[in-house]
Parts: sequence; C-alpha cells; structure tokens
Amino acid sequence: AQRVTQPEKLLSVFKGAPVELKCNYSYSGSPELFWYVQYSRQRLQLLLRHISRESIKGFTADLNKGETSFHLKKPFAQEEDSAMYYCALNRGSYIPTFGRGTSLIVHP
Amino acid sequence: DTGVSQNPRHKITKRGQNVTFRCDPISEHNRLYWYRQTLGQGPEFLTYFQNEAQLEKSRLLSDRFSAERPKGSFSTLEIQRTEQGDSAMYLCASSFQGRDSRANYGYTFGSGTRLTVV
Repeated sequence: AQRVTQPEKLLSVFKGAPVELKCNYSYSGSPELFWYVQYSRQRLQLLLRHISRESIKGFTADLNKGETSFHLKKPFAQEEDSAMYYCALNRGSYIPTFGRGTSLIVHP
Repeated sequence: DTGVSQNPRHKITKRGQNVTFRCDPISEHNRLYWYRQTLGQGPEFLTYFQNEAQLEKSRLLSDRFSAERPKGSFSTLEIQRTEQGDSAMYLCASSFQGRDSRANYGYTFGSGTRLTVV
C-alpha cells in the first residue's frame, strides 16, 4: 500500500536559516511526488512536482528512490514561507495520497 | 474562470440531518476529486470522477455518502443521517488528465466546505 510520512508536525526556524521538510514514502510502483502548500486562510495549492525538477519560491525537492524520500529544502527561509506543507504521492490513476503535513514557522 | 468553487463555505447541522455540498471545477478539467480533512491530518481521498463517471470510491465513503457529477461539470456530495464524526473540511479538487501521464500538472483545490455536526 502507498503511504506518505511527514515525521515533523511542526518546524520552527529563524529567518535566513536553512529549511528541510522531510517526506518519506512507500510505494511499490514508480512514484510521482508533489509538494503542496497552504498559507494562512488560503486554499491548498501545488508548490512543485518532482518530475519538473524545478525550483519554486526558492524551494527544491529531489526524489531519492534509494531512501524513498522527497525532502523539501530551501537554503534561506523567509517569513512569508510560514505555512502548512503537505507531501503527496500520486498512486495509480493519478490520485494523490497526502501526508499529515508539517507546519513551518519562520520567526523574524 | 476563478478556479474551483465550493458552496457553502460553512455548514452547521444537527446530527441525523442530511447535507449536500456543491463543487464547481475549472471548466476545462475532466477530473474532479473529493477529499476530507480533519484537524491535524492531511486530505484523505473520498472519490473521484472522470467526466461524469465515478471511477473510484474510498473505503472512507460509507453508504451514507453519495457523490454525483451528472453532466461532467459540477459535482455534489451528499451525506445522509449525519454523525458527529462527519465533522470535517470537505475539499474538492479538479485536474486535467490527458493520455500522456506527464499531462497531469497537479490539482487545483477549492477552499472547502467546513461541516460541523452538533
């Protein structure tokens, strides 16, 4: 069965510090992974997908099949990065399975 | 097109009553998904449609839940005989799924309907 694990419920850093939000997955097939973000009082929105190998708002995520991980990283956190972050795995039929989310708080 | 629209935004109902939520997806999107989210959890898949066909239902979707997408456009989610455990945020999302797997660009979510059963 597919599963997405985000071990940290809360991650608190100071502005300018590096950020790494962890995501581990289990899936027997070829995974397609995403990060979604939800800012305060806004709807859930796509941040990035592994297949695009892109950097969005300074965030990057690399799929590591050996470690079954898809950690989200940013070298220098900004206050506006404070939000809930959800890792998601597309299983068959392209239906995402979400992790429970990590709340990122960036202090000034 | 202003994205995925959900109505109502909030619903408070007494236990045992029926409720119905509506979702209007992005017009070009052929897929529509319903999710439920409770406090401290990520969205949990309930069901999805490709055009008007309901292709999959989660085990979370008990017999009291029914979803429709009659013309392949908007969708409704009805909960009959509501229970306090049904209290949650109900999210709708839509996407365009082409034949090429790379044509799935991720999902656009609505703001959700927050259901409170008292």
